[in-house]
Amino acid sequence: DTAVSQTPKYLVTQMGNDKSIKCEQNLGHDTMYWYKQDSKKFLKIMFSYNNKELIINETVPNRFSPKSPDKAHLNLHINSLELGDSAVYFCASSLARGANTEAFFGQGTRLTVV
Amino acid sequence: AQSVTQLDSQVPVFEEAPVELRCNYSSSVSVYLFWYVQYPNQGLQLLLKYLSGSTLVKGINGFEAEFNKSQTSFHLRKPSVHISDTAEYFCAVTLPGSGNTGKLIFGQGTTLQVKP
Repeated sequence: DTAVSQTPKYLVTQMGNDKSIKCEQNLGHDTMYWYKQDSKKFLKIMFSYNNKELIINETVPNRFSPKSPDKAHLNLHINSLELGDSAVYFCASSLARGANTEAFFGQGTRLTVV
Repeated sequence: AQSVTQLDSQVPVFEEAPVELRCNYSSSVSVYLFWYVQYPNQGLQLLLKYLSGSTLVKGINGFEAEFNKSQTSFHLRKPSVHISDTAEYFCAVTLPGSGNTGKLIFGQGTTLQVKP
């Protein structure tokens, strides 16, 4: 069983489109995250939810909107896609919001905007 | 603000040789330290972490790291690498204490290339 699963794994879309990436974890964790990995492989946090409550909202364009329908799911919706949004997006989860808890990562969604 | 610097972007090494991947951090407060590995086309996997206690931390796959507070370093080492260790390695920190969120601050990554 996959602990943190993301769909789709690959996403190719045109500029201006709206797309969503879904994430589900079956670990019973309370906290979930979205990270963005750019073309230079640099990873940066975007959002975090703890028990469906938004706790981290980094400086991200408001075209990006996370949604957590329950604590096992954290989806990422992106409006009006731009070329610069091309990246690998990773979902992760941890047992609780504490800093000493290991984060488990999904396999990533490679988004290509053309 | 906290930051993490991985001093080598690429480290080529021959199989069965030892390797050290360097990581330095900057923070005005105590941090927790992590090393993650990313195999090609996969997500990140935790190798090891330092929270407190012994400064030498052992992780999975024969890796270990040493926390050096005076030098603000957390270098990763393995005495003998295998081809299968070829991957991207990320050093990261989080902030302990109340109000912490588990947010990981990553270094730029080091590509370990193990040659036969």
